[in-house]
Amino acid sequence: AQTVTQSQPEMSVQEAETVTLSCTYDTSESDYYLFWYKQPPSRQMILVIRQEAYKQQNATENRFSVNFQKAAKSFSLKISDSQLGDAAMYFCAYSGGGADGLTFGKGTHLIIQP
Amino acid sequence: ETGVTQSPTHLIKTRGQQVTLRCSSQSGHNTVSWYQQALGQGPQFIFQYYREEENGRGNFPPRFSGLQFPNYSSELNVNALELDDSALYLCASGRTSGFYNEQFFGPGTRLTVL
Repeated sequence: AQTVTQSQPEMSVQEAETVTLSCTYDTSESDYYLFWYKQPPSRQMILVIRQEAYKQQNATENRFSVNFQKAAKSFSLKISDSQLGDAAMYFCAYSGGGADGLTFGKGTHLIIQP
Repeated sequence: ETGVTQSPTHLIKTRGQQVTLRCSSQSGHNTVSWYQQALGQGPQFIFQYYREEENGRGNFPPRFSGLQFPNYSSELNVNALELDDSALYLCASGRTSGFYNEQFFGPGTRLTVL
């Protein structure tokens, strides 16, 4: 079974600075997708960024980028120029495709200090 | 906003009772998945429906069942409620294109079992 591990229960960063959230996963598959989701206090899970495993190029969405290391099974999220609105729980998730659903990590609580 | 809605927002039930949670998907989405998120944990995949049939299931007992309707609505039913069923239940709809199924989450229903 696939597993996703987020080793940082909580991270704190000053507004406008850069922070990196870590995620490792375990799978025997070669094709899969990885995601970072944001869950603010409103509870709605919002997709931040996704990475296809067959793509070597790291995904980027505005201030959010990932460092995908397939051999190391590592998938970290970098948030540049942190803003107060970035404060939330961040979940790393894995999808093997098809109907298996998403496998989530336990989450990292990101605090933005003004 | 993802266009996915859930009702009710909160619900309190007693152990042994049955509960039905509802989800309204985006128009055109052909899959709906349900997740259970216990306090302080990442969501766990319960099952997925595709074209009104269950086509994927996580490690949940048969007392968790569902329905998907042609009008983009769906239900999660839980029988014989247990205290450990207290959690946030998330619905996610998507449009599968073979391997990839991007999922859009609703705001969740908070279930408390006393």
